[in-house]
Amino acid sequence: GENVEQHPSTLSVQEGDSAVIKCTYSDSASNYFPWYKQELGKGPQLIIDIRSNVGEKKDQRIAVTLNKTAKHFSLHITETQPEDSAVYFCAATVSGSARQLTFGSGTQLTVLP
Amino acid sequence: DGGITQSPKYLFRKEGQNVTLSCEQNLNHDAMYWYRQDPGQGLRLIYYSQIVNDFQKGDIAEGYSVSREKKESFPLTVTSAQKNPTAFYLCASRDRGPGEQFFGPGTRLTVL
Repeated sequence: GENVEQHPSTLSVQEGDSAVIKCTYSDSASNYFPWYKQELGKGPQLIIDIRSNVGEKKDQRIAVTLNKTAKHFSLHITETQPEDSAVYFCAATVSGSARQLTFGSGTQLTVLP
Repeated sequence: DGGITQSPKYLFRKEGQNVTLSCEQNLNHDAMYWYRQDPGQGLRLIYYSQIVNDFQKGDIAEGYSVSREKKESFPLTVTSAQKNPTAFYLCASRDRGPGEQFFGPGTRLTVL
C-alpha cells in the first residue's frame, strides 16, 4: 500500500518568512496530492491540491510542487502570518479510484510575531 | 450551504456505555469516512463507505460500528468494547470523480 512520510513534525518561523513542508510517497500510481490545514479543535480544511499532470500550483501565498520522479511533493507558504499557525497534513491517493487517502503524520507550524 | 455536519461537538459518556456520533453531508458524495485523532497525532481511519448499504473496516475498526442506510448519513457507534475511546472524531466525504475529500468540524468524545 501507499506510505506517506512528512517532515518536519514541527516548524517555527518568523512572521513574514517562508515555510516549507515536505512529503514523500511510495506508490508511483498515486496521482492526487492534497494538503490540509487543521486549526486547533477544528476539522482539517483542504487548502490546495495538485495532480500528477502538473509540477506546480499556486494560490496566493500558498504553492505546492510535485516531483514525480523523486516521488515527493512540498507545500510552500510565503509571507507567513500568525493566522497560518496550524497543523498541516499532506496526503496521497489515486484519483477516481476506491483507494483511500493516505495521510502524512502532520506538521505543527508556528508563526512567531 | 453545502457541507458536512457532525453532532454533537462535545460528548461525554460513562464507561460501559455505547454512544453514537452523527455525520450528515449534503454534497451528494458517494464515499464517507470516519477518522480518529488523538492529541498531537495524525488521522487514523476507522471505517469507510463507498456506497449506500456497504462499508469496510479501516485500520482501527475494533470497538466501533457504522451503518450507511442513506447516502447523506454515516453514523458511528463507539461501543463499550473500545478500550480507549476518548479522542477527536472526524467524519469526511469524498467526491468520486475529482477526488477531493472534505472534513466535518469533528466531535470530541470524552469518557468519564
